[in-house]
Amino acid sequence: QKEVEQNSGPLSVPEGAIASLNCTYSDRGSQSFFWYRQYSGKSPELIMFIYSNGDKEDGRFTAQLNKASQYVSLLIRDSQPSDSATYLCAVNPVNRDDKIIFGKGTRLHILP
Amino acid sequence: NAGVTQTPKFQVLKTGQSMTLQCAQDMNHNSMYWYRQDPGMGLRLIYYSASEGTTDKGEVPNGYNVSRLNKREFSLRLESAAPSQTSVYFCASSEAGQGYNEQFFGPGTRLTVL
Repeated sequence: QKEVEQNSGPLSVPEGAIASLNCTYSDRGSQSFFWYRQYSGKSPELIMFIYSNGDKEDGRFTAQLNKASQYVSLLIRDSQPSDSATYLCAVNPVNRDDKIIFGKGTRLHILP
Repeated sequence: NAGVTQTPKFQVLKTGQSMTLQCAQDMNHNSMYWYRQDPGMGLRLIYYSASEGTTDKGEVPNGYNVSRLNKREFSLRLESAAPSQTSVYFCASSEAGQGYNEQFFGPGTRLTVL
């Protein structure tokens, strides 16, 4: 069973701190990894994607990928109340770039 | 560009009624998808279309049919609605197959079946 696992949370982080969201996946051959943000009552919005091992930074967001450990994470620096949302991790199965498997998401709550 | 659009935004049906959810994208993407999202269940793929003229079942296809009308449009039909189909439905599109496989979502349709 190919799965993407996330802690459902809620993860509570003080404003200004670093929020760390984690995701593990079971398909060792997966090549592409995505982080989506979903506000309550809204649709998922792509915020980061990463294809290679290591870190990828975009503003306050950093995606980290470790294929050997089958682990991908999202760091949010200087957390703001507007970052409060559900974050979905998503993975392309090996040799299937036309499909994405989504985790169930982690609810993040930034405490003012 | 409007991106991915969906109609209607809200719908209430009675058990046994039928309806079609419409989706259109203006990004010239090859692939389109229909998901449902239920509390605690995450996003589940109903059907997808890798290219115009093709459709394939996803994880939860029972009770649904789809039509890829052209490259822009992908509709989802409920032939005989059941309360278990109460959910939020999202359409998405991507350039999958061209090395760019990020999916972009529409605003969703909130469906209640009584």
